[in-house]
Amino acid sequence: AQKITQTQPGMFVQEKEAVTLDCTYDTSDPSYGLFWYKQPSSGEMIFLIYQGSYDQQNATEGRYSLNFQKARKSANLVISASQLGDSAMYFCAMREDYYGGSQGNLIFGKGTKLSVKP
Amino acid sequence: DTAVSQTPKYLVTQMGNDKSIKCEQNLGHDTMYWYKQDSKKFLKIMFSYNNKELIINETVPNRFSPKSPDKAHLNLHINSLELGDSAVYFCASSQQTSGGITGELFFGEGSRLTVL
Repeated sequence: AQKITQTQPGMFVQEKEAVTLDCTYDTSDPSYGLFWYKQPSSGEMIFLIYQGSYDQQNATEGRYSLNFQKARKSANLVISASQLGDSAMYFCAMREDYYGGSQGNLIFGKGTKLSVKP
Repeated sequence: DTAVSQTPKYLVTQMGNDKSIKCEQNLGHDTMYWYKQDSKKFLKIMFSYNNKELIINETVPNRFSPKSPDKAHLNLHINSLELGDSAVYFCASSQQTSGGITGELFFGEGSRLTVL
């Protein structure tokens, strides 16, 4: 079974509008971390935002926010006021903490390609 | 000053050759990783080292051999290259997750390997 599921292979959004990229995860560990990364066409991996499983508040970083619904095991990324430079692949990832003994590695979803239209 | 640097950025070689990719991080992190990104953009962990000790060794052909001379370096050597090895290989590092550290991975720019 996939640990991280991103059901939207591709998304379009109009410039200046908000967009939500979906991510669901599967773990039985009570402690875990959820991450979003951006990969523009130039290829580098850019860390965007982090949500810990015990965090009470949804994480926010500038125009990025993470809609964390623990019971539904979802961690959707919301990008507000989309810009042309937001066009990229977006990856959701999870780190399982294995009851305090995390190996540190992230498990990635298959990604969503976001295209921002002018 | 690049945090995680890997060389070379591009590598084109013939089937059957042996090649190496080098990675260095100047962040003082204890853990380093190699990920493979295939043509469909899927990122998969290959290896992980913590303070020079191998801690993750996924199901990877034994033609792939990581080497960590010290905790700031993690190199990847590939023997007898095959067409299916063509991919982008990313090196990454992270800090131990404790005391509020989120543990995000810091990635290098990637090394695009093309096997002809």
